[in-house]
This record gives sequence, structure tokens and C-alpha cells, in this order.
Amino acid sequence: SAVISQKPSRDICQRGTSLTIQCQVDSQVTMMFWYRQQPGQSLTLIATANQGSEATYESGFVIDKFPISRPNLTFSTLTVSNMSPEDSSIYLCSTLSPTDTQYFGPGTRLTVL
Amino acid sequence: DQQVKQNSPSLSVQEGRISILNCDYTNSMFDYFLWYKKYPAEGPTFLISISSIKDKNEDGRFTVFLNKSAKHLSLHIVPSQPGDSAVYFCAASGSGNTPLVFGKGTRLSVIA
Repeated sequence: SAVISQKPSRDICQRGTSLTIQCQVDSQVTMMFWYRQQPGQSLTLIATANQGSEATYESGFVIDKFPISRPNLTFSTLTVSNMSPEDSSIYLCSTLSPTDTQYFGPGTRLTVL
Repeated sequence: DQQVKQNSPSLSVQEGRISILNCDYTNSMFDYFLWYKKYPAEGPTFLISISSIKDKNEDGRFTVFLNKSAKHLSLHIVPSQPGDSAVYFCAASGSGNTPLVFGKGTRLSVIA
């Protein structure tokens, strides 16, 4: 299975600021996903990030709010822009293995004051 | 509209007994189902999966049952151990490289 790391592991941010979360995978992967888990909710897919193309966003998520970069096959970033307390959540990076099993990073716990 | 539902937010089981976690889905296009376990401050880890061509898959203490006609799957843990205490997420996907759709999770507490 892929080993996935995320930075930062947690952060406390002020309203109106932006935070960029980094995701590093120890092997080359085609597909990377970004999820959000708000308190008491299921993991919700934000977007799919493929290398060499623009990210594909799910309904309710837009590029201006959650810009994503995918510069190569082992790395991606998610930025949470112009944050509000409603953005307080755990953000998780995920990849798809050749056997179609998804593996997750440890998550980034974000608190917006 | 939730496509994957875990209607029990929590479950407590005595050590050594069976834990049964349930999951229902609404999308008939789903053909691959997985269970993930999540400890606090960690990402979800893959536990066991089943494809729609099977109705049972077993791996050690963990067995997943799939009832396609009822759009229902369950995870059985026998015997339950205190280390099994975690949040369990049911997930489903359609064919191809499609991302998973998750339920809200069930918090399992195994009491010694």
C-alpha cells in the first residue's frame, strides 16, 4: 500500500486567511483525491486531482475556494481560501491503488476561529 | 441525499462477542464495497472489501456480507477485541477508477 503523509497535521487559523495543505505519496500514483470530514459527518469528496490536468470538483465545491495543485505524480496541495469557521474540518488526501483500493493520509485537522 | 447510510452512530460490544456493523446503500450502480477503520488522529485504514459478484468475503476475524437485493452489507468481527474500538466507515464505488462514497461511520466500543 502507498504511504501518504500530510502537512500540517493540524492548524488553527483566523477567519479570512488561507491555508495550504500538502500531500506526499511514496510512490507515483495517477489519481489523488481530497476529502473533508466535518464533525459528525461522513467523508465528503472535494475534488479529484490528476497530474497534468485541472482538478475535477464535486457539487458544492469550487476552485476559487479550494484551489488544488498536482505538479507531479507524488505530490498535491489543497488550499482552503478565505476561511470561515464553517471550514473547520479534517482534510484528507487519498490515492487509488492499482487494485482500486483507496488509501488515506493521516489528515489535517483545521480549526478556524 | 445520502447514497451510503450507516444508521447506527455507535455500538458497544463485550470483548469476545460478535460485533455486527451495518450499512445500506441506494445506488444500484455501486459494485464494490469496502470497510475502513479509523482511530482518532489517524486517517482511515482499509480493512476489507467485497465486489458485487460475491456475497461473502472473509479475512481472519473480519467477514463482510453483501445482500445485493436488499442493498445491504454488514461487517462481522468475531471475536471482538478492545483494539477493535474505532470508527468504522462503510464505502462504495461504481466500476472503474471512481472515488468512494462513504457512510457517516459507526463508533465501535469493545468493552473488556
